[in-house]
Amino acid sequence: AQSVAQPEDQVNVAEGNPLTVKCTYSVSGNPYLFWYVQYPNRGLQFLLKYITGDNLVKGSYGFEAEFNKSQTSFHLKKPSALVSDSALYFCAVRAPVAGSYQLTFGKGTKLSVIP
Amino acid sequence: DVKVTQSSRYLVKRTGEKVFLECVQDMDHENMFWYRQDPGLGLRLIYFSYDVKMKEKGDIPEGYSVSREKKERFSLILESASTNQTSMYLCASSLPQGFDTQYFGPGTRLLVL
Repeated sequence: AQSVAQPEDQVNVAEGNPLTVKCTYSVSGNPYLFWYVQYPNRGLQFLLKYITGDNLVKGSYGFEAEFNKSQTSFHLKKPSALVSDSALYFCAVRAPVAGSYQLTFGKGTKLSVIP
Repeated sequence: DVKVTQSSRYLVKRTGEKVFLECVQDMDHENMFWYRQDPGLGLRLIYFSYDVKMKEKGDIPEGYSVSREKKERFSLILESASTNQTSMYLCASSLPQGFDTQYFGPGTRLLVL
């Protein structure tokens, strides 16, 4: 079975400071990992994903994430937070199994960027 | 750009009604998914489809059914709506590979009274 944990329900950060949203996962084999963002009353927007290769993945809106196999983590980061980054962030994992389509999501982390 | 549309943004129904939620994607994706989103629970998969007329149960299929008669359209059906089905429903689509990105629609917020 695959699972994702986002240990923080809420993260507060001052505008201009670096931000980190944490994600750890459990899956057999090498995972496919995703980050999505959800603005109020909207669907999820894709930010970035890790499939293979370079452990540092760059995505939309200046976000990046680092895959750490030994710590089974995929934390989302941004060097300088904007007020407009305030949203709900979801981490997701899928096992690299043929015929496996199911994406398992974490419970989400609410990011608030304070002006 | 991939576009996934859902038939309603907000819906109010009464207990016992049959409810249809429609989802259409315009990118010829093989896979389509229905999730429900509840505070503190994240997204949970209800059903998915990897081809026309093909479907598989997700984590919480009880009380729901689905229909996929055309590749671009995936419908979620609540046979007899109940108050515990009040939720945000999200549709997604993707290409068939496991590493392919799922693209989401705007969601339907359903209230069952």
